[in-house]
Amino acid sequence: KAGVTQTPRYLIKTRGQQVTLSCSPISGHRSVSWYQQTPGQGLQFLFEYFSETQRNKGNFPGRFSGRQFSNSRSEMNVSTLELGDSALYLCASSSFAGGRNTIYFGEGSWLTVV
Amino acid sequence: SQELEQSPQSLIVQEGKNLTINCTSSKTLYGLYWYKQKYGEGLIFLMMLQKGGEEKSHEKITAKLDEKKQQSSLHITASQPSHAGIYLCGAESGGSNYKLTFGKGTLLTVNP
Repeated sequence: KAGVTQTPRYLIKTRGQQVTLSCSPISGHRSVSWYQQTPGQGLQFLFEYFSETQRNKGNFPGRFSGRQFSNSRSEMNVSTLELGDSALYLCASSSFAGGRNTIYFGEGSWLTVV
Repeated sequence: SQELEQSPQSLIVQEGKNLTINCTSSKTLYGLYWYKQKYGEGLIFLMMLQKGGEEKSHEKITAKLDEKKQQSSLHITASQPSHAGIYLCGAESGGSNYKLTFGKGTLLTVNP
């Protein structure tokens, strides 16, 4: 069974541009969440989607947005990029079975803003 | 908001030695996850603990959850160079089972 797949793995953007990152969850998983990882702040929750609905959002500006499609694939978008948006963006998909939730992460997308 | 404190921040051990990493929460723990990360890569799921007193093992790694202390510990027996990496604990935040709050991580180096 394939794991969580994120594309692209690496990208470089210029300040002011926008970027879209893609995430394909593990087959059968309907919940997808996004995290930002930086050396200074560590791992921070961005948002989570379930059945195309955003259920929760972290403390990030409105420049960060996401969506989920009917096949559970998800995208996140960052508009008007700033240097501080340089980070590893991680997607996670989760399943709930036997009263227990299990959350699996992808390899991440490295974003560098110059 | 919930905060997780991991200790130690970094650890250097000789191959074959045992070690323990701790994760302490500022609030009640509902679900606690342990992950391993190689720098710049994704998080590898190790274990999820849910009930107080629960203990789980995966190969030479054992994790326990102490509900009263709001703490979890990760123990590695007979460490190997392959155990090297960053260990992260994450807790289900505010009872939401899909949002994790993470500790800052523990960097483990295993010298052969």
